[in-house]
Amino acid sequence: QKEVEQDPGPLSVPEGAIVSLNCTYSNSAFQYFMWYRQYSRKGPELLMYTYSSGNKEDGRFTAQVDKSSKYISLFIRDSQPSDSATYLCAMSGTGGSYIPTFGRGTSLIVHP
Amino acid sequence: DTAVSQTPKYLVTQMGNDKSIKCEQNLGHDTMYWYKQDSKKFLKIMFSYNNKELIINETVPNRFSPKSPDKAHLNLHINSLELGDSAVYFCASSQDWTDKDTQYFGPGTRLTVL
Repeated sequence: QKEVEQDPGPLSVPEGAIVSLNCTYSNSAFQYFMWYRQYSRKGPELLMYTYSSGNKEDGRFTAQVDKSSKYISLFIRDSQPSDSATYLCAMSGTGGSYIPTFGRGTSLIVHP
Repeated sequence: DTAVSQTPKYLVTQMGNDKSIKCEQNLGHDTMYWYKQDSKKFLKIMFSYNNKELIINETVPNRFSPKSPDKAHLNLHINSLELGDSAVYFCASSQDWTDKDTQYFGPGTRLTVL
């Protein structure tokens, strides 16, 4: 079992839909949780960062962390074709290390 | 103004050759990283340097040798290339090695070994 599990998709939705992206993890010591967005042929860029459990909102994006279930989510409201990308979850903070462990990414396609 | 840049963007080479990838960041960060992203999109840390000093060296064949001439540059040299080395290699940087959130990634170098 991989430390971080993420469905690769692709997830195809119509423009304007609410998108839910998820990751599960096995190491309960993770403390820091991130979502990166990666456009095709580009490097990942940080989208959201959360410490421990709870919600964080930034514009159309909401990140949720449920440490008791070892489950994190990213919600995208009013999805746009420009949101089409691969979304990678990442987590860190075990054993004093802040190097993130990444999920394999979920490919999202928002069609007009 | 590119924050983290890598050269070359594409690299096609034969098995057994030696090649280098260069990375530069103009963010004034202390820590730089090399990641490998395989065909299944898994992104794995290979090395990390903090102020020109190696701080992380994951289980990577010793054919891979990073070099940091100064804290703005981290190059990756690969000897005796193998088919399994084909991947996209990303350089990244962060403020320092205790930076808990943001890593800035370069555009990647797509290496194909024939």
